[in-house]
Amino acid sequence: QLQLQESGPGLVKPSETLPLTCTVSGASITTSGYFWGWIRQPPGRGLEWIGGIYDTGSAYYNPSLKSRVTISVDTSKNQFSLNMRSVTAADTAVYFCARLRYSSVWNWGQGTRVTVSS
Amino acid sequence: SYDLTQPPSVSVSPGQTATITCSGDKLGDKFVSWYQQRPGQVPGQSPLLVIYQDKKRPSGIPERFSGSNSGNTATLTISGSQAMDEADYYCQASDSSSDWVFGGGTKLTVL
Repeated sequence: QLQLQESGPGLVKPSETLPLTCTVSGASITTSGYFWGWIRQPPGRGLEWIGGIYDTGSAYYNPSLKSRVTISVDTSKNQFSLNMRSVTAADTAVYFCARLRYSSVWNWGQGTRVTVSS
Repeated sequence: SYDLTQPPSVSVSPGQTATITCSGDKLGDKFVSWYQQRPGQVPGQSPLLVIYQDKKRPSGIPERFSGSNSGNTATLTISGSQAMDEADYYCQASDSSSDWVFGGGTKLTVL
């Protein structure tokens, strides 16, 4: 049974960097054809795709966030990570990691709530 | 940037058919997926894929869920709506690894 688990700080100060990690269990992150991504949901609002990465390290980003975001993968740990720089209150959200395939999000983590506040 | 537009809310009586639309420029040229998100515990209920590639149902999704996509509009149809179908529904489109967009979501009320 595939499981994705987000981890990281629940509180980040404005202008700092938000680091999140997704640990994958029940499947290998190197399984062919899958794409591993981050999606967020601000309080009371809709879903926003942040970006994703293949096990090869090829990463793709939402153009509106591309200048502040880096996604990386560590196949030895079966993990992938998100770093979001220069955060503001607008980055307060629940952050989900996910497994994507065939243009759809097939599996979601439970989400982790991140608040940006001083 | 590419935008997907959904109605904020849709209401349906139990047993009736609910229709939720998703509009975007030449949306029929892209693959559309639909997700159900029920209100849940902190930090939030994870969405569930109910339709992929416009009209396919993942294993375990009831047959009452169906989808279509043509022109500028994709549609999620829930036949014989049940109380358990009350949730937020999001459409999503993608035509490449760098192009993933979600609609704003539709709150479905079954009453």
